[in-house]
Amino acid sequence: GQQLNQSPQSMFIQEGEDVSMNCTSSSIFNTWLWYKQDPGEGPVLLIALYKAGELTSNGRLTAQFGITRKDSFLNISASIPSDVGIYFCAGSSNTGKLIFGQGTTLQVKP
Amino acid sequence: NAGVTQTPKFRILKIGQSMTLQCTQDMNHNYMYWYRQDPGMGLKLIYYSVGAGITDKGEVPNGYNVSRSTTEDFPLRLELAAPSQTSVYFCASSRTRPQLAYEQYFGPGTRLTVT
Repeated sequence: GQQLNQSPQSMFIQEGEDVSMNCTSSSIFNTWLWYKQDPGEGPVLLIALYKAGELTSNGRLTAQFGITRKDSFLNISASIPSDVGIYFCAGSSNTGKLIFGQGTTLQVKP
Repeated sequence: NAGVTQTPKFRILKIGQSMTLQCTQDMNHNYMYWYRQDPGMGLKLIYYSVGAGITDKGEVPNGYNVSRSTTEDFPLRLELAAPSQTSVYFCASSRTRPQLAYEQYFGPGTRLTVT
């Protein structure tokens, strides 16, 4: 079946640093989404991408839909302690269903 | 507007017991989903529904059943609970296609332990 590989698995950074994470797929996706999950909570949608090459921002977060349609990237600028959590990518190839990556755990040291 | 609500938040079951996880959304979304999340893993789709009376299997449906009698409610039934069903269960909903169906809104989850 379709799989998403998300990297890195975890990151431990200093407050104020920029963060980059990515997601790759073995097949083409038509939609990419990025979610954040706080401990004990459900995932919350951060950014949705619908076109190859699309670059979309949400505050300090920027995500890109890769031109090959097999990858996506999420950047967080000037990280703050509340950025701590698990970041998930998710994609769909118009099946109506989402495939989720295994998540990137972000820890921020004040 | 509460969004997606799930009950209970926590539950411990003995092997072989049954239970129903409740999910309700007040956003008038047609699409609803059940996922499970195992430690260190992403979410895996169990069942989904595109409207009242219509349900379909996801990636990991074995051991579960669903029904959708109203737009608002989408309960997940576990029959004969097994330790492999120990997980965190999330319900989600989204608007009707085309694009907006992928923007799923999640509930807070139910943490289930089967011993």
